[in-house]
Amino acid sequence: DVKVTQSSRYLVKRTGEKVFLECVQDMDHENMFWYRQDPGLGLRLIYFSYDVKMKEKGDIPEGYSVSREKKERFSLILESASTNQTSMYLCASSHNPRLGDSEQYFGPGTRLTVT
Amino acid sequence: DQQVKQNSPSLSVQEGRISILNCDYTNSMFDYFLWYKKYPAEGPTFLISISSIKDKNEDGRFTVFLNKSAKHLSLHIVPSQPGDSAVYFCAALNTGNQFYFGTGTSLTVIP
Repeated sequence: DVKVTQSSRYLVKRTGEKVFLECVQDMDHENMFWYRQDPGLGLRLIYFSYDVKMKEKGDIPEGYSVSREKKERFSLILESASTNQTSMYLCASSHNPRLGDSEQYFGPGTRLTVT
Repeated sequence: DQQVKQNSPSLSVQEGRISILNCDYTNSMFDYFLWYKKYPAEGPTFLISISSIKDKNEDGRFTVFLNKSAKHLSLHIVPSQPGDSAVYFCAALNTGNQFYFGTGTSLTVIP
């Protein structure tokens, strides 16, 4: 069974704090993704990574950075949290879509509140 | 700009009837489409997919139809069950291996 785990289910941080969200997958997937989910906006891609130390900007990378030092771990960093970053953050992983299995597996999400 | 659109934010259906969820896309470079189901407080889970070389894919009660000329896909659930009540997201994959998600449709199946 594929498992994608996220370090926290709920987080409350103050404006200006540095926030780390961690994601770990155990299926040796090449690709990992960070999304945020907001009402009426669906899932929006922040960053994705198709290999260790590789990263690509998604649709809304501003205010975020990522780190992928190991294949199984993909971290999302909010350098200076702001209230408009209050959201549900979802991590996902997948094999290379062009090699067959395109399905993404999602973690349970982290509900981040910035006050 | 939203490249994948789900224009119905919510849908209610009687148990046993057909649920039809719709999705439109704008980018002709999308070549793979997926549907995900999401329960509250959980991450989305994969439901069914279709390649752009097909126009239909069926898996049990779930069928996805793709109309490339209209840039439209739909998910049919027959018969609908109360456990199908969830938010459904359609997603599209472009040739750059990036996924794009719709805004979701909340399905309620009434017993």
